[in-house]
Amino acid sequence: DGGITQSPKYLFRKEGQNVTLSCEQNLNHDAMYWYRQDPGQGLRLIYYSQIVNDFQKGDIAEGYSVSREKKESFPLTVTSAQKNPTAFYLCASNPRQGGGAQYFGPGTRLTVL
Amino acid sequence: AQSVTQLGSHVSVSEGALVLLRCNYSSSVPPYLFWYVQYPNQGLQLLLKYTSAATLVKGINGFEAEFKKSETSFHLTKPSAHMSDAAEYFCAVSDQGAQKLVFGQGTRLTINP
Repeated sequence: DGGITQSPKYLFRKEGQNVTLSCEQNLNHDAMYWYRQDPGQGLRLIYYSQIVNDFQKGDIAEGYSVSREKKESFPLTVTSAQKNPTAFYLCASNPRQGGGAQYFGPGTRLTVL
Repeated sequence: AQSVTQLGSHVSVSEGALVLLRCNYSSSVPPYLFWYVQYPNQGLQLLLKYTSAATLVKGINGFEAEFKKSETSFHLTKPSAHMSDAAEYFCAVSDQGAQKLVFGQGTRLTINP
């Protein structure tokens, strides 16, 4: 089955530690996205990538980093510089010729202890 | 800049009653419009999308939405609510051909037995 996978589902980290969230897709989509979701604030765009080896900052990129070395993979690193990292993180992809719709993974809930 | 406003952060209806979730958008160019549904601790699932074809769009699970340019609205409706419709619903907008979505704050739908 084609789709987007995110791992792990739940992640705990201590303050001051970097952590990497995985996002993989087998939909052959060109574009991939990372969003952060907090209660009552909808979705906010962290980073996006329209093609391999290229990515752009979204609205809240500070404290995060990404890479896009393969079309299928777009990992997100939450660094110790992110002041309030506890949130639900969602990865999405877009085929670029699909009329703009994005397709989402199941999410990773990150909790900083 | 594009924006989306969802009127009502919480909507409650009785099982079997009409569901109406309101979405107004702002865009300086013809938009693409989307509705997504999110169940607890899950990713977003695309319900339906408007991409400048028919103004009345039918989606999954019996939902539909009507694009009204004069009112800059894209309200989501379902004639008869089911308990399984309880979830959070997000409206989103993008420019035609754009690669980024702008999301509303979400509306939490509760179904009363």
